[in-house]
Amino acid sequence: KAGVTQTPRYLIKTRGQQVTLSCSPISGHRSVSWYQQTPGQGLQFLFEYFSETQRNKGNFPGRFSGRQFSNSRSEMNVSTLELGDSALYLCASSPGGGQEQFFGPGTRLTVL
Amino acid sequence: AQSVTQPDIHITVSEGASLELRCNYSYGATPYLFWYVQSPGQGLQLLLKYFSGDTLVQGIKGFEAEFKRSQSSFNLRKPSVHWSDAAEYFCAVAGQAGTALIFGKGTTLSVSS
Repeated sequence: KAGVTQTPRYLIKTRGQQVTLSCSPISGHRSVSWYQQTPGQGLQFLFEYFSETQRNKGNFPGRFSGRQFSNSRSEMNVSTLELGDSALYLCASSPGGGQEQFFGPGTRLTVL
Repeated sequence: AQSVTQPDIHITVSEGASLELRCNYSYGATPYLFWYVQSPGQGLQLLLKYFSGDTLVQGIKGFEAEFKRSQSSFNLRKPSVHWSDAAEYFCAVAGQAGTALIFGKGTTLSVSS
């Protein structure tokens, strides 16, 4: 079974721009979660989607948003980029029935 | 507040020696506990998990972990380390298995020959 895929793998943006990251979960998985990883703050939970509904949300500003489509694929969007948004963004999928999460390789976002 | 502490930022172990990585958690309810490993430039790979039952859990790559409720700990162990085990290791806790994970800051493992 194919793993979690994330596109693109690398992105370079400038301050003030917006960006959209994509995540395709493992086939059959209905839950998708997003995490931000930075050297200073470590791994932090952004939000989780299940059956196209946001089920859980971390402590991030409203500039960070996401959505999930009917095929369980998910996108996250960051508007008005700041230098501090430079990070590795990880997507994880889960069957949704109380099982563990499986992570993708991440998207490395650099904001200049 | 819910939190995970990994007291050791960096550990160096000789190849073939045993390994123990420490993890302490603070969680009000019954926790779901995980260990993940991350190689440079890669995502996270699940090593093992504890949901309930036997407090000694076995994972992939020869790793095991023991859940000790009285000590709020979930330490990771391996009897004999291989050079390929060099990576960053993260302990995580959740209230439910498939929802928001709270991660520790990670422990970087170096393996010397």
